[in-house]
Amino acid sequence: AQSVSQHNHHVILSEAASLELGCNYSYGGTVNLFWYVQYPGQHLQLLLKYFSGDPLVKGIKGFEAEFIKSKFSFNLRKPSVQWSDTAEYFCAVNNYGQNFVFGPGTRLSVLP
Amino acid sequence: EAEVAQSPRYKITEKSQAVAFWCDPISGHATLYWYRQILGQGPELLVQFQDESVVDDSQLPKDRFSAERLKGVDSTLKIQPAELGDSAMYLCASSLRQGAGEQYFGPGTRLTVT
Repeated sequence: AQSVSQHNHHVILSEAASLELGCNYSYGGTVNLFWYVQYPGQHLQLLLKYFSGDPLVKGIKGFEAEFIKSKFSFNLRKPSVQWSDTAEYFCAVNNYGQNFVFGPGTRLSVLP
Repeated sequence: EAEVAQSPRYKITEKSQAVAFWCDPISGHATLYWYRQILGQGPELLVQFQDESVVDDSQLPKDRFSAERLKGVDSTLKIQPAELGDSAMYLCASSLRQGAGEQYFGPGTRLTVT
């Protein structure tokens, strides 16, 4: 069965620091990849997605992610975080025709 | 912007009682999902519908949980009887069709079983 791991449980950064959150998945076939964000008190929202094509994907709010097939990875990055980026971030994988599998999440705290 | 609606937003119930959650997906979305999210963890799929049919309920504790989507639109998830371990956030999501990319999530129902 597909599994998704996220390297960090809780990341604490100061504003303007660069961010990279790790995500690895287990399935070796064709996959769709997603990053979702959950701001405090809000519902899950899509940050970005990868289906095919350019492995460097740009999302909302300055986030981007890179799909590296050989490493089964889809790491999320942002060059300069803001206090408003404080949230929980979830990586998710979907094999064609199969269900989503979510990672356990990474809590990001950005200090002003 | 169309959204997934869920109610209630919060529910407190005593163990052994019955509880029900309602979800109205985005109009036109054929696929509907119910997830359970325990604090500090990612969402776990409970059941998936394609129109009115259950596609996957392999992770649904069928001795106490049931779900239906009778007309292929809105859906109800029921727990009877509730147990202390059922305390969690119950999320509903929808997508245009199975395997069709992103899911759109509702605000969730936070269940507390006392």
